[in-house]
Amino acid sequence: GDSVTQMEGPVTLSEEAFLTINCTYTATGYPSLFWYVQYPGEGLQLLLKATKADDKGSNKGFEATYRKETTSFHLEKGSVQVSDSAVYFCALTLMDSSYKLIFGSGTRLLVRP
Amino acid sequence: DTGVSQDPRHKITKRGQNVTFRCDPISEHNRLYWYRQTLGQGPEFLTYFQNEAQLEKSRLLSDRFSAERPKGSFSTLEIQRTEQGDSAMYLCASSSGQMNTEAFFGQGTRLTVV
Repeated sequence: GDSVTQMEGPVTLSEEAFLTINCTYTATGYPSLFWYVQYPGEGLQLLLKATKADDKGSNKGFEATYRKETTSFHLEKGSVQVSDSAVYFCALTLMDSSYKLIFGSGTRLLVRP
Repeated sequence: DTGVSQDPRHKITKRGQNVTFRCDPISEHNRLYWYRQTLGQGPEFLTYFQNEAQLEKSRLLSDRFSAERPKGSFSTLEIQRTEQGDSAMYLCASSSGQMNTEAFFGQGTRLTVV
């Protein structure tokens, strides 16, 4: 069935380090791909999205490229800040009319000063 | 509009009791989704509404669960005869229902069954 797999956390980095969080997916057809972020005490927020192969989503210095050949959507940021500490979820929507989201298990990022 | 709101934020109940949660979506959104998130996992789809019509229910939604969205505005999720395994965060999201548009999430209701 359709699913999302992302790297386990926690990921602990020092401020200004480079971040990669891996995400791969299994889906029939060509899903849209998303990264959502959950800051402490807050609801899930959309960070970025890509709707077709080779699209690059970007927001707040984060980037992810939809790679159909490797079924991946890895999240990257060149220089993380303490304020980036949160849980990051990779997700896809199926190409049926529900547009429901299928999430990975989440990766906790902790950035130390 | 202040976004998607859920009430209550926290609920502790004894096993066997019934509980009801409420979700108020963004007013112009016709789609409303319920998800469940257990500790260390991502949210899992439970059900969704297009206006007042409930269009899909997950296999996770046992007979003890019922959701409504009267008049296509707010929604309620009721769990009857709660079990300890129902302890989770229940998330509501709304969207315009257009392809590839963002789903906006509430802060969730954390249910603890003791």
